[in-house]
Amino acid sequence: ELKVEQNPLFLSMQEGKNYTIYCNYSTTSDRLYWYRQDPGKSLESLFVLLSNGAVKQEGRLMASLDTKARLSTLHITAAVHDLSATYFCAVVVHYQLIWGAGTKLIIKP
Amino acid sequence: DSGVTQTPKHLITATGQRVTLRCSPRSGDLSVYWYQQSLDQGLQFLIQYYNGEERAKGNILERFSAQQFPDLHSELNLSSLELGDSALYFCASSVAGGRTSPLHFGNGTRLTVT
Repeated sequence: ELKVEQNPLFLSMQEGKNYTIYCNYSTTSDRLYWYRQDPGKSLESLFVLLSNGAVKQEGRLMASLDTKARLSTLHITAAVHDLSATYFCAVVVHYQLIWGAGTKLIIKP
Repeated sequence: DSGVTQTPKHLITATGQRVTLRCSPRSGDLSVYWYQQSLDQGLQFLIQYYNGEERAKGNILERFSAQQFPDLHSELNLSSLELGDSALYFCASSVAGGRTSPLHFGNGTRLTVT
């Protein structure tokens, strides 16, 4: 069964702290996307990871992909309140996207 | 702005009714996807079209149907509506089938069934 598991599903943290969201998937894939969703809003594409060892960074967010371990991470550095959102990973398998359940991130001032 | 347009933004209707949600993809995108997102839930993939043809089907109920027209816009029809159908419905588009480029999401249609 194709599975994409994110953990944690909920994370409350203080501003200034670092944390990592994990995205594990159960089958071979060499392409993974990270999206952000603000409450009641649309989904915004953050990162496209295309190959093993890929690392992308944008501001305080850094995403990486290890296709051998079937694992992607989204690292948050020195979190700020504006990063509060739900983060989804999605894995490409045979031209279909398999979505994680999302990680709801709350960053407290 | 993702370039994907969904109408209407909000829809309130009664149980048993039928509604149509509309989506215009980004210019140049051939694939259209429909997703359902219930309150505090993840994304449920409903159906995908590519250049007018159905490409993939997800957890779409028999009461729901969709199509993609020659001008590439798509409609999602929901019939015999139930309270549980209340959700945010997203349309997304991509150049090809999602393998080579990320999906771009519209702002969604919030459906409330009373």
